[in-house]
Order: sequence, then C-alpha cells, then structure tokens
Amino acid sequence: AQRVTQPEKLLSVFKGAPVELKCNYSYSGSPELFWYVQYSRQRLQLLLRHISRESIKGFTADLNKGETSFHLKKPFAQEEDSAMYYCALNSNYQLIWGAGTKLIIKP
Amino acid sequence: EAEVAQSPRYKITEKSQAVAFWCDPISGHATLYWYRQILGQGPELLVQFQDESVVDDSQLPKDRFSAERLKGVDSTLKIQPAELGDSAMYLCASSLVVGGGGEQFFGPGTRLTVL
Repeated sequence: AQRVTQPEKLLSVFKGAPVELKCNYSYSGSPELFWYVQYSRQRLQLLLRHISRESIKGFTADLNKGETSFHLKKPFAQEEDSAMYYCALNSNYQLIWGAGTKLIIKP
Repeated sequence: EAEVAQSPRYKITEKSQAVAFWCDPISGHATLYWYRQILGQGPELLVQFQDESVVDDSQLPKDRFSAERLKGVDSTLKIQPAELGDSAMYLCASSLVVGGGGEQFFGPGTRLTVL
C-alpha cells in the first residue's frame, strides 16, 4: 500500500544549524513527491517538488529511490523556517500525506 | 493573487445537528478536493471533484457526509448528523492540473467543533 512516513513529530534546532526533515515512502512505480509547509496562521502551501529539483528558501530535497526517502534539508536554519512540514506522495492523481513534522528554530 | 476561499472559518455545533461548509476554488481550477485533518495528522482526502463530477469519494462517510459541486465551480460539504468524532479541520484545495495531482492550492480551512 502507498504510504508516507515522517518519523519525527517535532524537530527543534538552533538558528544557523543544519536541518533535515525525514520522509520515507512506500510506492510501487516511479514516485512523485512534494514538500508542503504551513507557517503559523497561514494556509498550507507547496514548498517544493522533486521533479523541479529546485531550491526554495534554501531548502532542497533529493529523491533516493534505493532508500525510498525524500528528506528535506537546509544547511543553515533561520527562525522564519519554524513551521509544520508535510511530505506528500502523488498516487493515482491524489496526494497521500505524512503526519507532518513541526520544526522549531531556537534563537 | 487568487486564493481558495472557505467559509465559515470556525463552526461550533452540537452532535446530531447538520453543518455545511463552502469552498470557492481558484478560478479555472478544474479539480477540487475536500480534506479532513485531525490534530496531529496529515490531511485525509474525503472527496475529489473533476469539474462537477466526483472522481473519488471512497473515504467519504456517505451515511452522514455529502458533497456537491453543481456547476463545477464552488462546492459544499455537508455533515448530517454531526458526531463528536467529526471535530477536525476541513480543508478545501484546488488544482489546475486536470485529473488531480501536481500543486494543490489550499484554503484557510474550517475548524469544526462538535459538542
């Protein structure tokens, strides 16, 4: 069955430290994966997708098919990165969502 | 900038009452989704529309939930009767991509509390 797992409910790091938000997926076929973010009092929005291979707000994510992972990384965390982050998998034109990781950046 | 609109933003009701939520997607977006999000979990798809047609409602509790998108534009999600376990955030999203997938644009959500 298709599934997205985000093993960390909460991740707290200091400003300037590297950040890695983990995402593992289960999918038969070629996956299409996304990271969505929800800042405080804002709506859920797309952060990046693996197809575009772009860097948004300093975040990158590489698809590792061997490890079935799509971890989100940023080399130097900023306080404005504090938010809920969701990993999502496109399966039959629907998104399957992970439970989310709350990222807190400490000053 | 165009956004998905939802109303009401908050709804408090007593169990066994009927509630309805409204969503207006971004103009031109053919695909519309209703999600339920329970605290501490990711969004769970309830129903997906392509224009006015239901593409998937396999997770919609049809004994009490109904959804419609009569003219293929705005949509209404109804619960009747509401139960305590229905307390959650109800999110609407739309997508330009025909058939779904791709980038989804979300509304602010309706937080439902059933007492």
